[in-house]
Amino acid sequence: NAGVTQTPKFQVLKTGQSMTLQCAQDMNHEYMSWYRQDPGMGLRLIHYSVGAGITDQGEVPNGYNVSRSTTEDFPLRLLSAAPSQTSVYFCASSYHRGLGSYNEQFFGPGTRLTVL
Amino acid sequence: SQQGEEDPQALSIQEGENATMNCSYKTSINNLQWYRQNSGRGLVHLILIRSNEREKHSGRLRVTLDTSKKSSSLLITASRAADTASYFCATDLGAGGTSYGKLTFGQGTILTVHP
Repeated sequence: NAGVTQTPKFQVLKTGQSMTLQCAQDMNHEYMSWYRQDPGMGLRLIHYSVGAGITDQGEVPNGYNVSRSTTEDFPLRLLSAAPSQTSVYFCASSYHRGLGSYNEQFFGPGTRLTVL
Repeated sequence: SQQGEEDPQALSIQEGENATMNCSYKTSINNLQWYRQNSGRGLVHLILIRSNEREKHSGRLRVTLDTSKKSSSLLITASRAADTASYFCATDLGAGGTSYGKLTFGQGTILTVHP
């Protein structure tokens, strides 16, 4: 299994440009999430999905869109990039064993995004 | 606002010594997890402790959880240079006893182990 893959690894955008960060997992996990990591801030949840066709907002959703058309893929769209979106973005997936069970997150390698 | 606060922010020790990192949180949790991040890499899950557990071991790792104090600690025994990394606690608030993979992370502890 490849686990969680992310593309691209690095990206430089100009203010106002749009782009999509790709995330895919081959573990048949129901749950997928996007986080951003900024220095001294830990990871903050942007959006998450509990299954195909179902998404919800996390802590910092503004400026980002997501969709989940398949179990495997969970792309993150930056609508109009701003310098405040300069960050490292991580995609993660996890499995759900049913009511009362607990899961761990599997993380991708990250995308380092710079917005000029 | 950050659910988890970690202490210390940075820790520097010699190989063979033990390393202890602490995490405090604000609201009731379903479980608490610890992750490691090597420089420039993604996070790797280390250990998960449920809200009804008080202590858990995995190899050289020992995690404790005190729900009355809303705090957890991660102990790495007999540290090695390869343990050099950032360590994060993450709380799963859950919903009605079900975990949805929606975690809230602390800001992390940077551990440096000198050979």
